Amino acid sequence: SQKIEQNSEALNIQEGKTATLTCNYTNYSPAYLQWYRQDPGRGPVFLLLIRENEKEKRKERLKVTFDTTLKQSLFHITASQPADSATYLCALRGANNLFFGTGTRLTVIP
Amino acid sequence: DGGITQSPKYLFRKEGQNVTLSCEQNLNHDAMYWYRQDPGQGLRLIYYSQIVNDFQKGDIAEGYSVSREKKESFPLTVTSAQKNPTAFYLCASSFDRSSPLHFGNGTRLTVT
Repeated sequence: SQKIEQNSEALNIQEGKTATLTCNYTNYSPAYLQWYRQDPGRGPVFLLLIRENEKEKRKERLKVTFDTTLKQSLFHITASQPADSATYLCALRGANNLFFGTGTRLTVIP
Repeated sequence: DGGITQSPKYLFRKEGQNVTLSCEQNLNHDAMYWYRQDPGQGLRLIYYSQIVNDFQKGDIAEGYSVSREKKESFPLTVTSAQKNPTAFYLCASSFDRSSPLHFGNGTRLTVT
């Protein structure tokens, strides 16, 4: 099965800076990769999906890249705001399952 | 508003008792899923259903059971055979298996 590693458990960043979160996977490259946001005590919320033939995807202040050679996806939040503080999860489709990473808890400091 | 409703938000049970967690969706999605989330671990799939009256075991199905009698509903029963049932349980749905998941806000189950 897939093993997914998200760079760190926690990341603190100053308001206005760009936050960069990393998702590394082993084994086979998935057809696509998803990013979710999870707030404490709530279910994850879907943010972006990027396919293996797409190098980059953008949505407002969010940008995702997907490098199948490095087996890595980077998730960027530009001009970060305190409201961006949450846990961010990456997920990859396996044969019968969507595998989730353990997440990175982002804190944006005012 | 379309969405997924999980109830109750908090549930307390004594060891040895079965307990059923509710999940209802009005998104008209065919696929539904149950995940378990524990601190420091990624979401782990318990069961999933791609269509009414059909469901498949996920990675950690032992000690759990489900039913899918209606498209809108996918209840999860945590049986007394589940060795470590205390966890945060998340229900999700998707249009199909390749679509993003819509999650409910979870049920936190505590078994003492």
